Amino acid sequence: QKEVEQDPGPLSVPEGAIVSLNCTYSNSAFQYFMWYRQYSRKGPELLMYTYSSGNKEDGRFTAQVDKSSKYISLFIRDSQPSDSATYLCAMLRGKLTFGQGTILTVHP
Amino acid sequence: DVKVTQSSRYLVKRTGEKVFLECVQDMDHENMFWYRQDPGLGLRLIYFSYDVKMKEKGDIPEGYSVSREKKERFSLILESASTNQTSMYLCASSLRGRGTETQYFGPGTRLLVL
Repeated sequence: QKEVEQDPGPLSVPEGAIVSLNCTYSNSAFQYFMWYRQYSRKGPELLMYTYSSGNKEDGRFTAQVDKSSKYISLFIRDSQPSDSATYLCAMLRGKLTFGQGTILTVHP
Repeated sequence: DVKVTQSSRYLVKRTGEKVFLECVQDMDHENMFWYRQDPGLGLRLIYFSYDVKMKEKGDIPEGYSVSREKKERFSLILESASTNQTSMYLCASSLRGRGTETQYFGPGTRLLVL
């Protein structure tokens, strides 16, 4: 069993939709939880970072962590075509462990 | 603005060749990392380095070695390339700390081994 599981999609939504991206994990020792965004032909860039259970908002993005269920989510409100990318969850305990990545396409 | 550059965007090599992938960062970061990215597997850590001349194995070091002679430069070496090393290779760097520091990634090198 992988330590971090992420549905690879692909996920295709219309512009303006609410997008929900999810990861589950098995290692309860993970302390920090991150979401990276990777555009085509680019390296990943950090989008959001949190360490406690609950929600963290940044503009149209909300990161949610539920440590009791070992589940994290990224919500994108009012999705835009520019949000089309691969989204990777990552978890930290000493080193980063990444999910497989979810390919998201937002079409106009 | 942090910049991580990788020597090649695309590389085609033959089985058995020795391959060098170079990574340079311009922000005086102590930590540098090499990952490979494969469909369905995400990013997997090959090697990392916390300081010049220091290296640590990641999750999948077999078939690879690294070199860090200068702080800004971290090289990944495939001693004898094999077809199962065809992949996207990503370099990253971060400041020294508790491990929570943001990792900044380069654009990647897409390697094809024939």
